[in-house]
Amino acid sequence: GAGVSQSPSNKVTEKGKDVELRCDPISGHTALYWYRQSLGQGLEFLIYFQGNSAPDKSGLPSDRFSAERTGGSVSTLTIQRTQQEDSAVYLCASRLTGVTEAFFGQGTRLTVV
Amino acid sequence: ELKVEQNPLFLSMQEGKNYTIYCNYSTTSDRLYWYRQDPGKSLESLFVLLSNGAVKQEGRLMASLDTKARLSTLHITAAVHDLSATYFCAVEWGSRLTFGEGTQLTVNP
Repeated sequence: GAGVSQSPSNKVTEKGKDVELRCDPISGHTALYWYRQSLGQGLEFLIYFQGNSAPDKSGLPSDRFSAERTGGSVSTLTIQRTQQEDSAVYLCASRLTGVTEAFFGQGTRLTVV
Repeated sequence: ELKVEQNPLFLSMQEGKNYTIYCNYSTTSDRLYWYRQDPGKSLESLFVLLSNGAVKQEGRLMASLDTKARLSTLHITAAVHDLSATYFCAVEWGSRLTFGEGTQLTVNP
């Protein structure tokens, strides 16, 4: 596709449920990032994938969060047993390796009620 | 851990005026990016700065990078209402991009 695609765009879930957020990066981009942005705040790094290398998971806030990237393309961020503090916009970005900027998707707005 | 600080965090200015947003970071890096975010929207890339002394300009915005001072600036010339948005700088270090807190710019008629 022409840009980074994320789905769903909005997700309302009950506290304690699991959710999966999907990211389709730009074709050919080997690097993929997940960030979280709470209302009126900056971007909090969650996880980074680069090609076939082990992902950098150092930003995941708890073991309820996990992510995978299949075939070096689509990525799924999973949040288990959601809590109200997980409510935020989850942004995915992809980039070519090297000295290029990251391109962001439109985000998934997650609301935990 | 890399820290990226922007100032000011909030900026209200009149149309036609000039101003500068500052981005300081705590460790050595020569790769810095500026993004714009409109309310309810995602981030749009503005500038890519890849070396000490790099300067990029687009319309009324000009960005520069001083890697020795660990400082980047985003200068706004003769502001117009359409520039109202939140501006983020992001520093690349290791595998990640670390973002500043953002500067919320409002340009008033």
